[in-house]
Amino acid sequence: AQKVTQAQTEISVVEKEDVTLDCVYETRDTTYYLFWYKQPPSGELVFLIRRNSFDEQNEISGRYSWNFQKSTSSFNFTITASQVVDSAVYFCALSDFGNEKLTFGTGTRLTIIP
Amino acid sequence: KAGVTQTPRYLIKTRGQQVTLSCSPISGHRSVSWYQQTPGQGLQFLFEYFSETQRNKGNFPGRFSGRQFSNSRSEMNVSTLELGDSALYLCASSLGDGRKAFFGQGTRLTVV
Repeated sequence: AQKVTQAQTEISVVEKEDVTLDCVYETRDTTYYLFWYKQPPSGELVFLIRRNSFDEQNEISGRYSWNFQKSTSSFNFTITASQVVDSAVYFCALSDFGNEKLTFGTGTRLTIIP
Repeated sequence: KAGVTQTPRYLIKTRGQQVTLSCSPISGHRSVSWYQQTPGQGLQFLFEYFSETQRNKGNFPGRFSGRQFSNSRSEMNVSTLELGDSALYLCASSLGDGRKAFFGQGTRLTVV
């Protein structure tokens, strides 16, 4: 069975600080996808990034960066120079290759204090 | 390009009643998935429909059912509502290859 663990329930940081959200996953599959989604107060889940299990290259996109380490089954997400608009709940998720079913972590509520 | 549309946004139902929720996916998307989000259980997968066929199913009782129409629009039905069915129900639309799902704003169901 697949499992995603987000140990941080809530994080608060002052604006402009960097913040890292942790994600640890479990799966028996050799090929899978990992995702990060953001859920603002409006409710919809907003796609942020997808990584393939065979691609451990880390990625930076603007203020966002992701660190995928297969050896430790971790897929962490960092926001650099945080802004108030980054306040939301962030979910890490896992799926089998080609399968639409997402297994979500419990989410991390991020609050950026102005 | 229009996003995923879920209707209604809010619903209040009485225990024992049934309810139907609707989801209109992004044009060209053939896969629609449904999720239940509650404070206690988090986000849980209900089922996925692809080209009018249920392709995947989560661990929910038979009171939860769905269908998909030829235009890819999907409906989800919950019969004999229980208080524990109160949740945010999210619909996700995609091409069906598992690479990226787009979510609607959800329907918040309250059972009293």
